[in-house]
Amino acid sequence: DAGVIQSPRHEVTEMGQEVTLRCKPISGHDYLFWYRQTMMRGLELLIYFNNNVPIDDSGMPEDRFSAKMPNASFSTLKIQPSEPRDSAVYFCASTYPPDNLSTDTQYFGPGTRLTVL
Amino acid sequence: GESVGLHLPTLSVQEGDNSIINCAYSNSASDYFIWYKQESGKGPQFIIDIRSNMDKRQGQRVTVLLNKTVKHLSLQIAATQPGDSAVYFCAERGDTGFQKLVFGTGTRLLVSP
Repeated sequence: DAGVIQSPRHEVTEMGQEVTLRCKPISGHDYLFWYRQTMMRGLELLIYFNNNVPIDDSGMPEDRFSAKMPNASFSTLKIQPSEPRDSAVYFCASTYPPDNLSTDTQYFGPGTRLTVL
Repeated sequence: GESVGLHLPTLSVQEGDNSIINCAYSNSASDYFIWYKQESGKGPQFIIDIRSNMDKRQGQRVTVLLNKTVKHLSLQIAATQPGDSAVYFCAERGDTGFQKLVFGTGTRLLVSP
């Protein structure tokens, strides 16, 4: 398995532009998570999906952020309009449903480093 | 004004030493705990996990200890190697049946050859 795939790996954009980050979870994983990591705040959960349905979006900072999961193998995180304070590394992770017989760990992608000028 | 980032505690060890990284978790109802390793420029990587019905679990060169009485988790790395240098995060799952994890702030491990 290729693991969680994210694209692009690096994104540099100007303030006000729309940014779309993409994620392909591990095949068979029912849960997908979007995280943001900064020096100021560490690793923060933004939103997570179960079976393509958003379950908890309480971590989404504001209406400029939106996430979708149109099918089991693809999710997007969109920022519109982007601001310099959105600069961070954005991670996608996926996992199986909770199961006492197997590991419930989340597997992370390599991240997208976003810089908003 | 000047921004202040998270101050990551740092553990510096010599190659070959044993390392112990500690973590205090917040939710006494948490039922599952994970240690992740994050190298520079990469995503967090799973190391080892433990369920709340266990006190200890061993992997290859790593051991996780769970003390529920004081809500403390530790990661022991035997014969630490320069390749172990990274930031280590503990994570807890607080709501049984849901997959939401809460991550600690991390500890930086520096291994000198």
